[in-house]
Amino acid sequence: NAGVTQTPKFQVLKTGQSMTLQCAQDMNHEYMSWYRQDPGMGLRLIHYSVGAGITDQGEVPNGYNVSRSTTEDFPLRLLSAAPSQTSVYFCATSPGNTIYFGEGSWLTVV
Amino acid sequence: SQKIEQNSEALNIQEGKTATLTCNYTNYSPAYLQWYRQDPGRGPVFLLLIRENEKEKRKERLKVTFDTTLKQSLFHITASQPADSATYLCALDDKIIFGKGTRLHILP
Repeated sequence: NAGVTQTPKFQVLKTGQSMTLQCAQDMNHEYMSWYRQDPGMGLRLIHYSVGAGITDQGEVPNGYNVSRSTTEDFPLRLLSAAPSQTSVYFCATSPGNTIYFGEGSWLTVV
Repeated sequence: SQKIEQNSEALNIQEGKTATLTCNYTNYSPAYLQWYRQDPGRGPVFLLLIRENEKEKRKERLKVTFDTTLKQSLFHITASQPADSATYLCALDDKIIFGKGTRLHILP
């Protein structure tokens, strides 16, 4: 049982490039979300989804897009990467209250 | 707006002693509060959930209390071990607000 799988684990981008962080879950949870974690800032919610076809913004959505075409997948897109988006990104799912996190994706924008 | 604070960035505890971490919140009345453990380079892992009508919850050497009057949760690790060294995060029930975490170091 893989749980929550994030790819890639590490990525270096140049300013202005675009990329997609992939997230897949095999727990059939309706709720999925993306967080970023920065030193001194803690975990901050970027976007979340309560089911296929439904997405909403979290605390820090600017510069990120999401879509939810299936229950299993919730990709996070950076349209034009900026150095301020250098961070660790965590995908998460939830059956109701408890949150299950992926192992993280380390993104550096130079 | 909702706010959650873990009032120690880092805590050093001697092995065998009880470690106590604090989580305070304001401008909200959560139905429940959760605690997570995060090891370096890994994602947070769920430990315990305590509901508003529960004063205390235990799991092995872990104990969580929830005081809705003080708007505070305490997280205790008894008989602490070096393997308990990690960052501990608290979170309000809406999955949006996490504390910044407390780095716990258990000293052998």
